[in-house]
Amino acid sequence: EDQVTQSPEALRLQEGESSSLNCSYTVSGLRGLFWYRQDPGKGPEFLFTLYSAGEEKEKERLKATLTKKESFLHITAPKPEDSATYLCAVQANDSWGKLQFGAGTQVVVTP
Amino acid sequence: DTGVSQDPRHKITKRGQNVTFRCDPISEHNRLYWYRQTLGQGPEFLTYFQNEAQLEKSRLLSDRFSAERPKGSFSTLEIQRTEQGDSAMYLCASTLVEGGDEQYFGPGTRLTVT
Repeated sequence: EDQVTQSPEALRLQEGESSSLNCSYTVSGLRGLFWYRQDPGKGPEFLFTLYSAGEEKEKERLKATLTKKESFLHITAPKPEDSATYLCAVQANDSWGKLQFGAGTQVVVTP
Repeated sequence: DTGVSQDPRHKITKRGQNVTFRCDPISEHNRLYWYRQTLGQGPEFLTYFQNEAQLEKSRLLSDRFSAERPKGSFSTLEIQRTEQGDSAMYLCASTLVEGGDEQYFGPGTRLTVT
């Protein structure tokens, strides 16, 4: 059965203190791995899609990387507005596109 | 492109009542998904439509749940005889088969069953 595990569950950072979030996955035939950001009381907001090991994507202070077993979301010099829950999800080849999500990492960035 | 919209944003109902939620996907998106999210967890897949056809339902979707997507446009999710365990955020997402694989989510409907 497909499984996605995110760590840590929560992360508290000082503004400017870089860190990484981990997403470990097991899936029978990975079509894609997705990162989303979710603010309290809102729907997930799409960030990145990664398709193959070694791929990297960047957006402002965020960089996502992918290996055959895990993905990392690096946050460089975070700002308070980067505070959110970051969700990782996998999509299997035979899944009609449905996403299997992890529980998320709640990030708080303090000034 | 006005994004995915959902209505209502919040619903409080008494146990045993029926509720219906609506999702309007991004225009021309032919795939539509429903997910459910409880506090501290990621979204869980419920069901999926391609155009008007419902192609997959999760085992999470009991007989009390039904979803439709008439004419392949908006979708509705109905829960009959609600239970306290149905309290959750119900999220809708849409995507275009011919586009990328990313799904775009609506703001969700927060259901509270008392």
